Amino acid sequence: DSGVTQTPKHLITATGQRVTLRCSPRSGDLSVYWYQQSLDQGLQFLIQYYNGEERAKGNILERFSAQQFPDLHSELNLSSLELGDSALYFCASSVGLADTGELFFGEGSRLTVL
Amino acid sequence: GENVEQHPSTLSVQEGDSAVIKCTYSDSASNYFPWYKQELGKRPQLIIDIRSNVGEKKDQRIAVTLNKTAKHFSLHITETQPEDSAVYFCAASGKYGNKLVFGAGTILRVKS
Repeated sequence: DSGVTQTPKHLITATGQRVTLRCSPRSGDLSVYWYQQSLDQGLQFLIQYYNGEERAKGNILERFSAQQFPDLHSELNLSSLELGDSALYFCASSVGLADTGELFFGEGSRLTVL
Repeated sequence: GENVEQHPSTLSVQEGDSAVIKCTYSDSASNYFPWYKQELGKRPQLIIDIRSNVGEKKDQRIAVTLNKTAKHFSLHITETQPEDSAVYFCAASGKYGNKLVFGAGTILRVKS
């Protein structure tokens, strides 16, 4: 158990819909990261938050948005869903910024868009 | 932005042989280079990391080398075992510790 909690574990929805993925970081971790892993694909960096503020953006679509709340949990919102958005979405957390040490990954939220 | 290239995409070795995975990065400001292992159906987990002020680091059968000038870093696994079979990802941090960018991954198969 990494200490990072992601919900839901599985989600099936239809094209055009909107979903919210939730992440609770390890206790004491200030950074939260979101990654997308499609079938046979690597870990695509979406966005990073540190202590409530956005620190870095990757190839995140405009249909996607995220935020980190004062209690440090984070949510990733995916809207106008397309078939290609089907993927495993990982949240990770770390004590400091990305160069300070290990990222701890949650078990992921598997999104299936039909 | 930061780009990390990883080779090979798949690697098959016989049990007991060594395996080497290589990565290159583009951002000269990167200063932290971890390696993650992802077993089938599981989350990625850190196996070893190296910082830019170190050229080599070893942990039992695993070692990582870094060539800052060439922007190359490599993972070396000796005496491979079937349980080493997994996907391995290299990564590099961005400037000021913003973002951790991963390579595309290497599927390692250790045949017994």
